[in-house]
Amino acid sequence: GENVEQHPSTLSVQEGDSAVIKCTYSDSASNYFPWYKQELGKGPQLIIDIRSNVGEKKDQRIAVTLNKTAKHFSLHITETQPEDSAVYFCAAPRGGGFKTIFGAGTRLFVKA
Amino acid sequence: DSGVTQTPKHLITATGQRVTLRCSPRSGDLSVYWYQQSLDQGLQFLIQYYNGEERAKGNILERFSAQQFPDLHSELNLSSLELGDSALYFCASSVGVANSYEQYFGPGTRLTVT
Repeated sequence: GENVEQHPSTLSVQEGDSAVIKCTYSDSASNYFPWYKQELGKGPQLIIDIRSNVGEKKDQRIAVTLNKTAKHFSLHITETQPEDSAVYFCAAPRGGGFKTIFGAGTRLFVKA
Repeated sequence: DSGVTQTPKHLITATGQRVTLRCSPRSGDLSVYWYQQSLDQGLQFLIQYYNGEERAKGNILERFSAQQFPDLHSELNLSSLELGDSALYFCASSVGVANSYEQYFGPGTRLTVT
């Protein structure tokens, strides 16, 4: 079947701490895993993505790790800031197709 | 700014009515995707067009239809509207047809059905 599970649904951290959001997918043929940030009243914004030929990708304070064997990938945000507060979505495309399945989202609160 | 534009930003209409949402993709992008986001819900894929042709269908109701025009802009038509159709509707675009291309989202259209 097609399913992307995302945890936790809500995450509250203190400014400066790290935040980790995890997603599990079911389609073993999936090969591209993007993460989106959605701020209130705005559309989702692509913040980082990873392809199945690498295990980790980093962009400043944001990193994504991929474990294809276990079929899960995670978003890591270090040194969190209040402006990181938003809803984060993971996504996994159906392998060999055109449909992208999104996780249910994680609402991140960064307390100053 | 993603480069994807959507109009209108807000739409309020009554049950049973029909509305059209419009999307212009980023310059150079040939694929357009439509998504529905209900209150506190995730993104539900509706439909994808690539260079004028329908390429993938998701959980799109029969009352909904879409098309992509030669200039690559797309319209999503919602008819016989019900209260449950109230949601945010997002358009996204990408350069290629496959789902392994980066998708860039527009600001959305908030539809309220009363």
